[in-house]
Parts: sequence; structure tokens; C-alpha cells
Amino acid sequence: EIVLTQSPDFQSVTPKEKVTITCRASQNIGNSLHWYQQKPDQSPKVLIKYASQSISGVPSRFSGSGSGTDFTLTINSLEAEDAATYYCHQSSSLPLTFGGGTKVEIK
Amino acid sequence: QVQLQESGPGLVKPSQTLSLTCTVSGVSISSGYYYWTWIRQPAGKGPEWIGRFYSSGSTDYNPSLQSRVTISLDRTKNQFSLNLYFVTAADTAVYYCGRVSTGDYTIDYWGQGTLVTVSS
Repeated sequence: EIVLTQSPDFQSVTPKEKVTITCRASQNIGNSLHWYQQKPDQSPKVLIKYASQSISGVPSRFSGSGSGTDFTLTINSLEAEDAATYYCHQSSSLPLTFGGGTKVEIK
Repeated sequence: QVQLQESGPGLVKPSQTLSLTCTVSGVSISSGYYYWTWIRQPAGKGPEWIGRFYSSGSTDYNPSLQSRVTISLDRTKNQFSLNLYFVTAADTAVYYCGRVSTGDYTIDYWGQGTLVTVSS
């Protein structure tokens, strides 16, 4: 099973600041890494697919990078509505797995 | 538009069977472009993939649950179901159904989720 380790677990950030979240895979997954945003009491929503590909309707301040085992989600110029928990998810091999999440709080 | 909605009991006794149904609207579950999946999320934790069903009839399950889980489709009702047998308190979670595109393997549509508590 591929284990995804996210860091940090929690981040408190002021609006307009840049946020960087990392996800490390326990083995090479190529670019089969996707990012989701989950707001309280809501279902997750996909933000980025295949490490760096944008999703229609997702604000351009969200971007992703990386390949192999190390991946990054960047939120440029954080907005209040971005308060949420962010998860990485791999579709390289079964069982599909998710990271433990990074909670982003707005100061 | 595409919508998924979970339904089923919110409370299940230990050792019994957890049964949930996902009703899909806006797309046929017989479409070959998608997998249909179940995911659960214990309080305060990340999501855990349970398994998926493809329209061809093939299924894949998380090895950690494989001995206790089945996912099936009812094409006439455009629904798919989850049965998890011999539940314990560790199975308490919010359960989501979802659609996975075979084009990019993201979970592009999710149900709203339903909390299932295992307790006597």
C-alpha cells in the first residue's frame, strides 16, 4: 500500500499570504497524485489532478507541482474562503490512498 | 446535473451488517466512462477508500476490508450499494459514494456523506 504523508498537519495563515503544502509518497507514483479541498461538513472537492493539471472552475491561485514521490500544493494569495482541510490522493495503484490532511486556518 | 445521494441506517449494532445505497441522477451507472466508489472518513481523519465497481461488473476492494465488503449495482434503479459485514466501533465514519472518471481517475462527484455509528 502506498502511504501518503502530508506536512504540515496545520497551518494558520493571514489573507493574501502564500500557502505551501507537501505530500510525500512512500514509493514512486509518477504524476498520479490529485489534491482535494474539504470544507467543514462538506464533501471533498478536487482541485488539481495529475500533480499539476488544473480543474475547470477552480481558482487559478491553486497550483500543484511534483512527480515521483514529492508533491506540492500551492495557494497563492490566500483568501478567507480557502479555510479548509486539504488532502492528497494517489491513483497509481490499488488500494487507492489519501494523505492525512493539512488544515488551513485563516488568522 | 450529476448528483449522488447516500441513504441507509445511521446506527448499526456491532457484529451486524452496514448497508448503504447510493442513488445516482444525471448519468447512467451503466456508462463505461466511470467507476462507482465508496469512501469513508472517520471523524478527524483522512478519507479511506473502501472499493469500486465498474459497469462491466468488475470490482476492486481495499485489502484491509476485502473479507467483509461487497459493492453491487442495481441498474434498473440507477443505484449502487455497499454492504460491510461484522462491523465494529472502528467502522464508525462518514460514508461517501462517488464517481470516478476513467479519463483521469479523480473522484469528480461525491455524495453529501452519511454518518454511520456502530454502537449497541
